[in-house]
Amino acid sequence: NAGVMQNPRHLVRRRGQEARLRCSPMKGHSHVYWYRQLPEEGLKFMVYLQKENIIDESGMPKERFSAEFPKEGPSILRIQQVVRGDSAAYFCASSPAGRNTGELFFGEGSRLTVL
Amino acid sequence: GENVEQHPSTLSVQEGDSAVIKCTYSDSASNYFPWYKQELGKRPQLIIDIRSNVGEKKDQRIAVTLNKTAKHFSLHITETQPEDSAVYFCAAPYKAAGNKLTFGGGTRVLVKP
Repeated sequence: NAGVMQNPRHLVRRRGQEARLRCSPMKGHSHVYWYRQLPEEGLKFMVYLQKENIIDESGMPKERFSAEFPKEGPSILRIQQVVRGDSAAYFCASSPAGRNTGELFFGEGSRLTVL
Repeated sequence: GENVEQHPSTLSVQEGDSAVIKCTYSDSASNYFPWYKQELGKRPQLIIDIRSNVGEKKDQRIAVTLNKTAKHFSLHITETQPEDSAVYFCAAPYKAAGNKLTFGGGTRVLVKP
């Protein structure tokens, strides 16, 4: 059973470009969470999605950031017009549908570097 | 929302000694308290968790204690080894928001040989 799959693992973008990060949850999981980790800091919640629904986006910056989890395919975190402050590791986590325990399984992360 | 405070932010111990990390939380409805270990450049990995119907849980050299009245929980690592060096995060779910986990700020543990 494959774990949470994230790609790309590393992404370099110049200021003003767009970054797209993808996450495929574990098999059987339909809840996806995105967290951001700035260098030397903790994990900050960004957004919680279920298939075709954004459940909680209270941690998303108001501009330039968006997320989706379509019926088919991976969840995507999109950052438009990146700035240097967006450089961070972006972790996706998933949890099973119907089991509201809070347990999360993390992917290996996507490390974004903005030049 | 949930507020999770973690102390200390750094902890240096001699190999073989014990390490203790403490966390407090604010949402009295929280009922699940995981601890994650993150090695440099790696993903956070769940190492132990405790649910609110127990006060203590142990797994080999690691243990977690929970005090629901005081809203705090602790991670104990005994007989520390160099491979225990990592950043450790506590977390608690915010029940009113789909159980999303709120993480503490992390504790960087260094085990000196």
